[in-house]
Amino acid sequence: GAVVSQHPSRVICKSGTSVKIECRSLDFQATTMFWYRQFPKKSLMLMATSNEGSKATYEQGVEKDKFLINHASLTLSTLTVTSAHPEDSSFYICSARHGTGGETQYFGPGTRLLVL
Amino acid sequence: AQRVTQPEKLLSVFKGAPVELKCNYSYSGSPELFWYVQYSRQRLQLLLRHISRESIKGFTADLNKGETSFHLKKPFAQEEDSAMYYCALSWAAGNKLTFGGGTRVLVKP
Repeated sequence: GAVVSQHPSRVICKSGTSVKIECRSLDFQATTMFWYRQFPKKSLMLMATSNEGSKATYEQGVEKDKFLINHASLTLSTLTVTSAHPEDSSFYICSARHGTGGETQYFGPGTRLLVL
Repeated sequence: AQRVTQPEKLLSVFKGAPVELKCNYSYSGSPELFWYVQYSRQRLQLLLRHISRESIKGFTADLNKGETSFHLKKPFAQEEDSAMYYCALSWAAGNKLTFGGGTRVLVKP
């Protein structure tokens, strides 16, 4: 149990376009989902916390107008990279958690974004 | 601010040898520490958490608040332990995770 999926697994887009990445909890309801970014050979960096039915909270230095997050249901959160630029190329990973705090986060497989 | 440090980027050991991955943290609150593992071409998965005080796949980790450390140990490494290991600190009432830089473990036959 506790499987999290992401779609697409990889995407290539042109500079200036927007890209949407989906994160789904397949067999549980996730009140909270998290979005991370991982640069090559670097660790995961938390970008934002997404709570179902409310606005996402962004970490310092993360542009909320650039990285739009929507958590419309208990099983789906989306991250939209707006007006993507080459520097947005990265590995984006989501995680999902039952409950409201302290429980384990279950990670998706990640989405590799390449902006040309 | 909270911070997690893993000083070793790469640990290379022979099969059957002990392995210890270092993790140090800084956090003003009450820490909750985790070890996550990422095998080749797989997603990140939880290995163990300090509050469980359990041994998973032969790995153990003890939280030392005096030294602000949560080192991961296994007495006899196996080839299947080759992976990327991340130490993580839970904060904001358990709502967020901060990860260390990761340690790649390579177990040679």
